[in-house]
Amino acid sequence: GNSVTQMEGPVTLSEEAFLTINCTYTATGYPSLFWYVQYPGEGLQLLLKATKADDKGSNKGFEATYRKETTSFHLEKGSVQVSDSAVYFCALSRNNYGQNFVFGPGTRLSVLP
Amino acid sequence: SQTIHQWPATLVQPVGSPLSLECTVEGTSNPNLYWYRQAAGRGLQLLFYSVGIGQISSEVPQNLSASRPQDRQFILSSKKLLLSDSGFYLCAWSVRRLPQTTNEKLFFGSGTQLSVL
Repeated sequence: GNSVTQMEGPVTLSEEAFLTINCTYTATGYPSLFWYVQYPGEGLQLLLKATKADDKGSNKGFEATYRKETTSFHLEKGSVQVSDSAVYFCALSRNNYGQNFVFGPGTRLSVLP
Repeated sequence: SQTIHQWPATLVQPVGSPLSLECTVEGTSNPNLYWYRQAAGRGLQLLFYSVGIGQISSEVPQNLSASRPQDRQFILSSKKLLLSDSGFYLCAWSVRRLPQTTNEKLFFGSGTQLSVL
């Protein structure tokens, strides 16, 4: 079946450090891939997405590239800030009607000043 | 623009009591609607989704139920809450797509923190 695997958290970094959160997926066909972010006490917000192989999604300094050959969609940011502290979810969308989003378990990021 | 409202924001209920969480979407028609649960320290679990009024699909068997009495209203209910029902409940919507087309993205509500004591 379709699934998303993320690196285990929590991840703790100092401000201005480089961030990588690994995400790999298993899916039939060609899913779209997403990163969602959840700030404390809030719902999820779309951070970035990529809809086909080799696409790069980017937003707020975060980037992720859709790698079909390695079935990966790793999230990166060159210099994290305290305000980036949140839980990050990798997700895929299948080509199906109705229920078609599959989320990873989430990775908690804490950025220290 | 589209907005999604979910309430209440927090809820503390005793074991065995009923539950009703409501979610409404504005600014769009015929959305797909979803209920997710996020248990403490865990990821998102899809509970129910709906592609139309009265059409509910359950992903996980449990003592919860969902209803969609109107196009943009989605309700999560329980007759008797269990301790294990505690968690953060998220309502979400997406644009309804034809079969075999990819959904662009999900839009989430702000969530309800449910504590069952």
